[in-house]
Amino acid sequence: DIVLTQSPDSLAVSLGERATINCRSSQSVLSSSTNKNYLAWYQQNPGQPPKLLIYWASTRASGVPDRFSGSGSGTDFTLTISSLQAEDVAVYSCQQYYTTPWTFGQGTKVEIK
Amino acid sequence: QVQLQESGPGLVKASETLSLTCIASGSSISSHHWSWIRQAPGKGLEWIGYIYYSGSTNYNPSLKSRVTISVDTSKNQFSLKLSSVSAADTAMYYCARGGLGATAGLFDLWGQGTLVTVSS
Repeated sequence: DIVLTQSPDSLAVSLGERATINCRSSQSVLSSSTNKNYLAWYQQNPGQPPKLLIYWASTRASGVPDRFSGSGSGTDFTLTISSLQAEDVAVYSCQQYYTTPWTFGQGTKVEIK
Repeated sequence: QVQLQESGPGLVKASETLSLTCIASGSSISSHHWSWIRQAPGKGLEWIGYIYYSGSTNYNPSLKSRVTISVDTSKNQFSLKLSSVSAADTAMYYCARGGLGATAGLFDLWGQGTLVTVSS
C-alpha cells in the first residue's frame, strides 16, 4: 500500500497568514504515461464529510477559493492556504488515487492562533 | 442537486454483520464508481472498496475477506456488508462518488456519513 504521511499533525495560524501542509508519499504517484500526479486534497470541517479541494496535485475543484493551492510532484506535495480565513478551520487530508487500495494521509488540523 | 444518503443501523453487535445502504439522488448510479470509506474516531480516512454500476468491485485487501459491496441500479443505490465486526470497526461510514477511468478514486461527492458503533 502507498503510505501518505502529512506534516505537521496540527498547526495554528493567525488570520490572514499563510498555512502550509506537507504530504509525503511512500512511492511516486506520478504517472509516466499521463505525466499527472494522482494526488488530491480534502477539507473536512467539524461534523461534516470531506470536501474535495485539489486534484491532480494542483487543480482546484469547482468553487474552491483561489487562496487554496497545491503543488509538488512524485512523492512530495504541499497544500497552501495563502491567507487563512476563519472558515478554513478544518482537518486537511491528502489522498492518492494512483493505485488501489486508495489511501489517505492521517490529516492535519488547522486552527486559528 | 446531487446527493448521497447513507442509512442503516447505528449499533451492531460484535461478530455480526454491518449493513449499510447509500441512495443517490439527482445522479444516476449507472455511471461513475461508488465507494465506501470509513473514519474511526479521531483517525484518518480508510477506503473500504468500490463498485461500478456494472457490478465490478475492488476491495481494500485489509478488509477484503469481510466486505461485500453490491449495487441495485433500479433503486439507484448501493450497499455495504461487513461481516464479523469487532470494536475496531466502530467508525463513521461514508459513501462517495468517484470518477471514471483514472479518476475512479477521486471523490467529488460524499454522503453525510453514518456512525456505526460495534457493541460487545
